[in-house]
Amino acid sequence: AQSVTQPDIHITVSEGASLELRCNYSYGATPYLFWYVQSPGQGLQLLLKYFSGDTLVQGIKGFEAEFKRSQSSFNLRKPSVHWSDAAEYFCAVGAEANFGNEKLTFGTGTRLTIIP
Amino acid sequence: DAGVIQSPRHEVTEMGQEVTLRCKPISGHDYLFWYRQTMMRGLELLIYFNNNVPIDDSGMPEDRFSAKMPNASFSTLKIQPSEPRDSAVYFCASGSLDRGNGRLFFGEGSRLTVL
Repeated sequence: AQSVTQPDIHITVSEGASLELRCNYSYGATPYLFWYVQSPGQGLQLLLKYFSGDTLVQGIKGFEAEFKRSQSSFNLRKPSVHWSDAAEYFCAVGAEANFGNEKLTFGTGTRLTIIP
Repeated sequence: DAGVIQSPRHEVTEMGQEVTLRCKPISGHDYLFWYRQTMMRGLELLIYFNNNVPIDDSGMPEDRFSAKMPNASFSTLKIQPSEPRDSAVYFCASGSLDRGNGRLFFGEGSRLTVL
């Protein structure tokens, strides 16, 4: 069975500082990996996804993530955070055979707080 | 395209009452998912449909929960009778392998409070 671990429940970062959110996955084959962001009172929005190819993927809002098979990780990064990045971030893994659309498994989320 | 539309946005009800949550997926999407989000358990997949057919309902907590998709533009999630532990935010999401491959589009959620 696939699973996702986000070890950090809550992270606080100063505005303008760099950010890295951790995600570790467990899956027997090549995973389809996603990062979603949820702003308060809103649904989830896709930031970026990895299916194959270049292990460094670029997403919206200046985010990027790197797939490291040897570490079973897909950490999310941003070089300089903005106050508007305060939200909850979810890592998710999907099954290879179905392009990740079916039965995405989500991590428990990391809440990001930005301080001035 | 309008996004995924859910109603109601907020529902407060008393234990034992029937609750019906509604979802209109994005036109042309052939997958529809119902998720539940709580502080304790995070995001849980309850059930998903492909071409209006339920594919996997193993996440539905118990018989009190049921979901239907009578046509490609409408789905319901019903809880009868409701219990306080059902309090959560329920998200509907839709997607398509042909359009937006690998991406789920989420509604804004229905926040349910059962007293």
